[in-house]
Amino acid sequence: EPEVTQTPSHQVTQMGQEVILRCVPISNHLYFYWYRQILGQKVEFLVSFYNNEISEKSEIFDDQFSVERPDGSNFTLKIRSTKLEDSAMYFCASPRVLNTEAFFGQGTRLTVV
Amino acid sequence: KQEVTQIPAALSVPEGENLVLNCSFTDSAIYNLQWFRQDPGKGLTSLLLIQSSQREQTSGRLNASLDKSSGRSTLYIAASQPGDSATYLCAANYGGSQGNLIFGKGTKLSVKP
Repeated sequence: EPEVTQTPSHQVTQMGQEVILRCVPISNHLYFYWYRQILGQKVEFLVSFYNNEISEKSEIFDDQFSVERPDGSNFTLKIRSTKLEDSAMYFCASPRVLNTEAFFGQGTRLTVV
Repeated sequence: KQEVTQIPAALSVPEGENLVLNCSFTDSAIYNLQWFRQDPGKGLTSLLLIQSSQREQTSGRLNASLDKSSGRSTLYIAASQPGDSATYLCAANYGGSQGNLIFGKGTKLSVKP
């Protein structure tokens, strides 16, 4: 069964460093999302991506965040200068078509020290 | 503001019991609602998607219902098993061009052998 794959599963980084989280969505899916879950908190929407551009972003998704689809298969989330409060589980998700069932990856646990 | 609430936050039941998890949403103009399972430190596994035009959706021992007018959804688990122990999340989709999900905080279910 096709699945969304995220790498790495766990990343530890020092405050101020740049990190890139990677996702390989299901191949025929057109919409891509990043969500995050701070420990003990709700899963929160960060950004949606369609047709090689951002279609919507939340207030969390400020200038330190960026997304891109560099090669037609990978979908990346970059955090330019990490802060302690960026420590969270980051999930990539893709429905095949907008507003249909969303499939989530296993997540990347980011720890900023 | 569109919000999703899940009560109770935690639930412990003996094996074999039937149980109901509750989800409420503040804005009844929902497009669909998705139930997920999350094991500790893991990703989100989609369980059921119920469209706004549906009242129920079933998969195996799981049954989800949706009542838009009252802003509620329930997830019914029949004949619970220890393997059902996990956190169950509901997420509302309000449709439109964004298609992002608004999550509840989840109900942590523990099924005792």
